[in-house]
Amino acid sequence: QQKVQQSPESLTVSEGAMASLNCTFSDGTSDNFRWYRQHSGKGLEMLVSIFSDGEKEEGRFTAHLNRASLHVSLHIREPQPSDSAVYLCAVSPPYQGGRALIFGTGTTVSVSP
Amino acid sequence: EAGVTQSPRYAVLQEGQAVSFWCDPISGHDTLYWYQQPRDQGPQLLVYFRDEAVIDNSQLPSDRFSAVRPKGTNSTLKIQSAKQGDTATYLCASSHRGAEQFFGPGTRLTVL
Repeated sequence: QQKVQQSPESLTVSEGAMASLNCTFSDGTSDNFRWYRQHSGKGLEMLVSIFSDGEKEEGRFTAHLNRASLHVSLHIREPQPSDSAVYLCAVSPPYQGGRALIFGTGTTVSVSP
Repeated sequence: EAGVTQSPRYAVLQEGQAVSFWCDPISGHDTLYWYQQPRDQGPQLLVYFRDEAVIDNSQLPSDRFSAVRPKGTNSTLKIQSAKQGDTATYLCASSHRGAEQFFGPGTRLTVL
């Protein structure tokens, strides 16, 4: 069974500094990796999805995937106070009539002005 | 374009009561997912449908939980005889095939 772990549990960064979040997974057959953001009391907003080793950038958010290390990271460039939220890593197996996402427990990011 | 809508937004029950959650996916999305998100945890899949067919319900506590999507559009998730351990936010998401899943705002359930 796929297990997804995130670190750190919480992170405080200053506005404008780089924020880095980590996610490790246990099953290397997964082929789809996503980062979501969840503001308090709100639904999930997808930030970036990545399918192959390397880097993918979406605005200020960059994901790095290394399947051999079973690791995917998220870097937030120039974070703003509005980026304060819980960040969730999600992994899915190959398409089987759908893509059931397996989530980590999240990293709480606080951006101080 | 309207997003995924869910109702009610909040529900408070006593143990043993029943409750139903309703989800209206994005028009044209054939795949619908229900996730349970306990407080301070990531969402966990309960069940998902492709059109009206159940693809995976292996994580659904079948003795008290049920889910249907009779016409391949809207879906209802029902909990019979709720327990305190069911306290969580219930999220619905939809997608077209295996593409990006769009999430609704969730229904926050509290069982006293």
